Amino acid sequence: GAGVSQTPSNKVTEKGKYVELRCDPISGHTALYWYRQSLGQGPEFLIYFQGTGAADDSGLPNDRFFAVRPEGSVSTLKIQRTERGDSAVYLCASSPLAGWGGELFFGEGSRLTVL
Amino acid sequence: SQQGEEDPQALSIQEGENATMNCSYKTSINNLQWYRQNSGRGLVHLILIRSNEREKHSGRLRVTLDTSKKSSSLLITASRAADTASYFCASRPDSWGKLQFGAGTQVVVTP
Repeated sequence: GAGVSQTPSNKVTEKGKYVELRCDPISGHTALYWYRQSLGQGPEFLIYFQGTGAADDSGLPNDRFFAVRPEGSVSTLKIQRTERGDSAVYLCASSPLAGWGGELFFGEGSRLTVL
Repeated sequence: SQQGEEDPQALSIQEGENATMNCSYKTSINNLQWYRQNSGRGLVHLILIRSNEREKHSGRLRVTLDTSKKSSSLLITASRAADTASYFCASRPDSWGKLQFGAGTQVVVTP
């Protein structure tokens, strides 16, 4: 597609449930980033991939959060045993090359609400 | 954690006025970028300034960078109602790493 696509756009779940959020980056982009944005705050870095491997996962808050990118394209962010504090908008972004150093191209985000 | 602070947190102006917002960051950078976010939408890149640049222009946008003070400013001239959005600065420590975002400035432009 022309831009970064994220699904679902909205997800409501109950505390303790498992959630998967999907990101389809711009075709050919090798770097993919996940951010989390709480209301009224800036995006908070979670993890980024160069190809299939996680180059930096220092922003993942705890071991309930995990992300994969098995074929170097689509990525899935997985959250186990969701908590109310996980409620946020999860943003995905991609960039053309490793070491690009330039702008990130963002999707519209997946809004997660944990009841 | 956020990389830096943005000032002001909110800004309300009338169409035609200029809007200025400031950003401070904590570590040395390769470049600094500004993004815009309309309510409920994703972020859109506006402008990038490299660490060896002091000022950059793009249309009605002017960005300055002072690496000695670890600060940047974004000026939007002749603002329009369509400029209403949140604006975020993001610093990149090196060309390989992640972007670190500030908390943003919410700008409201009234007709």
